[in-house]
Amino acid sequence: DTAVSQTPKYLVTQMGNDKSIKCEQNLGHDTMYWYKQDSKKFLKIMFSYNNKELIINETVPNRFSPKSPDKAHLNLHINSLELGDSAVYFCASSQQGLANYGYTFGSGTRLTVV
Amino acid sequence: AQSVTQLGSHVSVSEGALVLLRCNYSSSVPPYLFWYVQYPNQGLQLLLKYTTGATLVKGINGFEAEFKKSETSFHLTKPSAHMSDAAEYFCAVSGSGGSNYKLTFGKGTLLTVNP
Repeated sequence: DTAVSQTPKYLVTQMGNDKSIKCEQNLGHDTMYWYKQDSKKFLKIMFSYNNKELIINETVPNRFSPKSPDKAHLNLHINSLELGDSAVYFCASSQQGLANYGYTFGSGTRLTVV
Repeated sequence: AQSVTQLGSHVSVSEGALVLLRCNYSSSVPPYLFWYVQYPNQGLQLLLKYTTGATLVKGINGFEAEFKKSETSFHLTKPSAHMSDAAEYFCAVSGSGGSNYKLTFGKGTLLTVNP
């Protein structure tokens, strides 16, 4: 019973390709996030959706586009992949306000662009 | 706006020794503070959190942290390190009140435990 599941776990692709990462949570949370962890382990927020509405959109290239078909799903589509996009991408979810629960993280998608 | 500074990117201790991982925060509003642990090739797992109330919070695996407002600190401790504690530890902060969804992380501290 994985609470936050991401697919795929590993993704190796060539520069210029378009790829998607999917995320699903079964916790009943109303807010979902995408974080990027770089090679130095630094975690930076990219996007957040609350009840399918985009509420956080950090300075991220337009090639990255999130989509939330419902509050249990948040997908990340990346166009024209570049070498610098190589990283681990984490999906997370929370209940509004964070106070009681913090985030629940998925196990990550390791993206390697060659 | 909130930010977190973790002092020491790498801490090495002997098995059975005290673990102390340092975290200082900056926040324009009363903060919510968190410690997460990341084992190799895994996601982040919540260790403990401070929201309101008691400033000494206990978490899983014998860890605890104390919120010190005067020092803007939230250091993580464990009396006796175990080999299984070896991992990356992240301190994080968010703002309280309203609709502040954003969790800001420090750069992490790698804990190694020597036999």
